[in-house]
Amino acid sequence: EVQLVQSGGALVKPGGSLRLSCAASDFILRNAWMHWVRQAPGQGLEWVGRIKRDADGGTIDYAAPMKGRFTISRDDSENTLYLQMNSLRTEDTAVYYCATETDTAAYWGQGTLVTVSS
Amino acid sequence: QSALTQPPSASGSPGQSVTISCTGSSSDVGRYNYVSWYQQHPGKVPKLVILEVTKRPSGVPDRFSGSKSGNTAYLTVSGLQAEDEADYYCSAYAGSDNLFGGGTKLTVL
Repeated sequence: EVQLVQSGGALVKPGGSLRLSCAASDFILRNAWMHWVRQAPGQGLEWVGRIKRDADGGTIDYAAPMKGRFTISRDDSENTLYLQMNSLRTEDTAVYYCATETDTAAYWGQGTLVTVSS
Repeated sequence: QSALTQPPSASGSPGQSVTISCTGSSSDVGRYNYVSWYQQHPGKVPKLVILEVTKRPSGVPDRFSGSKSGNTAYLTVSGLQAEDEADYYCSAYAGSDNLFGGGTKLTVL
């Protein structure tokens, strides 16, 4: 059974940094387009960025508000996806999800809460 | 890229049909057949109900259907049931971006 297990959420001060992890089982991350999506409290879903599968060049794209502050990476030996977040702002407070869609299904992590507050 | 536009709310009585729209542009919804719809109950992880405009994942009732015309995609829920009450989000591939709609709260009266 495909599972995406997330970790790393925490309370962090404005300007701080945090790294989120998304470990996959029964699923090879490098063969998939992997996304990060976030949801601020009481708000809708917002796309953060994605890394394409190796066969499509492994290109990484980000939503405009995240460019230059967030970095997506992948450790193929650990089959784990990462989201490094720097220069965090109060408006980055949200539940962060890793997710992927195949041509028949979608798999999402359980979500991890990031709170940016002084 | 701007978010996709969805109506903030929709409603229907049990057994009725409801259609939710998702309007993008010729750069996203109108250009690619990669529109997905997600259902999210409060406090839960979003669940995929439609992918690639019209495809229904295994386990999703055939009461859920998707379509597209021009720059607008649609999700239709037929034979409304109480458990369909949830937030619904569309998502579209846009080349270097992926976009979400603002979400539609579906109320079953």
